[in-house]
Amino acid sequence: AQSVSQHNHHVILSEAASLELGCNYSYGGTVNLFWYVQYPGQHLQLLLKYFSGDPLVKGIKGFEAEFIKSKFSFNLRKPSVQWSDTAEYFCAVNARSGSARQLTFGSGTQLTVLP
Amino acid sequence: GAGVSQTPSNKVTEKGKYVELRCDPISGHTALYWYRQSLGQGPEFLIYFQGTGAADDSGLPNDRFFAVRPEGSVSTLKIQRTERGDSAVYLCASSKGDMRTDTQYFGPGTRLTVL
Repeated sequence: AQSVSQHNHHVILSEAASLELGCNYSYGGTVNLFWYVQYPGQHLQLLLKYFSGDPLVKGIKGFEAEFIKSKFSFNLRKPSVQWSDTAEYFCAVNARSGSARQLTFGSGTQLTVLP
Repeated sequence: GAGVSQTPSNKVTEKGKYVELRCDPISGHTALYWYRQSLGQGPEFLIYFQGTGAADDSGLPNDRFFAVRPEGSVSTLKIQRTERGDSAVYLCASSKGDMRTDTQYFGPGTRLTVL
């Protein structure tokens, strides 16, 4: 079975600070990796995704994530956060093959950016 | 284009009652997923449809939960004899159903409260 760990439950930063949110997964096969974001009062939105190829992927709003296979990690980064980045961030994985297509999510990281 | 829609946005019911939650996926998406999100947690998988058939219902917690997708588009999640522990946000997602590069897009959810 797959599992996803997000180590930081709540992160508080000042504007312009750099961000790194940790995500580690447990799965014996090849995975697809995702970061979703939920802004206050809004639904889950896709931030970025990794399927194969270049392990450094860029998403919307200046976010990027790096897949490190040897560490089973897919950390999310942003060089300079803005107040509007305040949201909850979820890391998710699913298997690249087989019949199980569902996403397995981490428990989320609440990011608060202070103006 | 239109995203995934879910109705109702909020549902308050009494313990023991029956409820139906509806999901309207993105047009042309063959795969449809139901997830449940409790407070402070990431979404948890319930059931996945490919077309009209339930391809994986391993996440349904018990036989009080049932879902249908009779025409391969709209889906209804049905909960019988609701319990207070069923209170959560029920999320629907849809995707094109590609085997290797599938991306799920989420609706706004239905917040179910069982009194």
